[in-house]
Amino acid sequence: QKEVEQDPGPLSVPEGAIVSLNCTYSNSAFQYFMWYRQYSRKGPELLMYTYSSGNKEDGRFTAQVDKSSKYISLFIRDSQPSDSATYLCAMRDGDSWGKFQFGAGTQVVVTP
Amino acid sequence: EAGVTQFPSHSVIEKGQTVTLRCDPISGHDNLYWYRRVMGKEIKFLLHFVKESKQDESGMPNNRFLAERTGGTYSTLKVQPAELEDSGVYFCASSPTGRPDTQYFGPGTRLTVL
Repeated sequence: QKEVEQDPGPLSVPEGAIVSLNCTYSNSAFQYFMWYRQYSRKGPELLMYTYSSGNKEDGRFTAQVDKSSKYISLFIRDSQPSDSATYLCAMRDGDSWGKFQFGAGTQVVVTP
Repeated sequence: EAGVTQFPSHSVIEKGQTVTLRCDPISGHDNLYWYRRVMGKEIKFLLHFVKESKQDESGMPNNRFLAERTGGTYSTLKVQPAELEDSGVYFCASSPTGRPDTQYFGPGTRLTVL
């Protein structure tokens, strides 16, 4: 079983809709959670970073962490065609300084 | 400010040959990481440098892979000899001192071993 599970999609939504993405994980030691966006043929770009449980909002993006359920989410409001990309979750425990465990990524397509 | 750069962007080699990938981190970033994504799989951690020292190399797959970061600036990742299963995209990332979760990724080097 993978440590981090993420539905590969593709997830297709109309422009303006809310995009809902999630990852589940098995390692209860994970404390630091990141979301990355990756456009085709580019490197991952950090979107959101959350420590432990709770919500974090940044513009159109909201990240949620539920450690009791081992479940993290990313919501994108008012989605735009430019949001079409692959979204990757990543996480690490407190001892693995900089060593991320990535999900496989979810491909998102926002149609005009 | 220039981002993380990687060279080459794409490399095609024969099985058994040697390939060296280069990464130039963001200036001033002490932390440098190598990751790899093989076809259909998730991005996997390979190793982490702090300046010129290897902090964590637990993800290196075998002794055919050698990473160096002489002088604590750019880093190279050598694969010798290359095998078919080494094909994939190799990413480099860097982060500032004390901020391991703010990693900036390069565009990656796509390695194809025939």
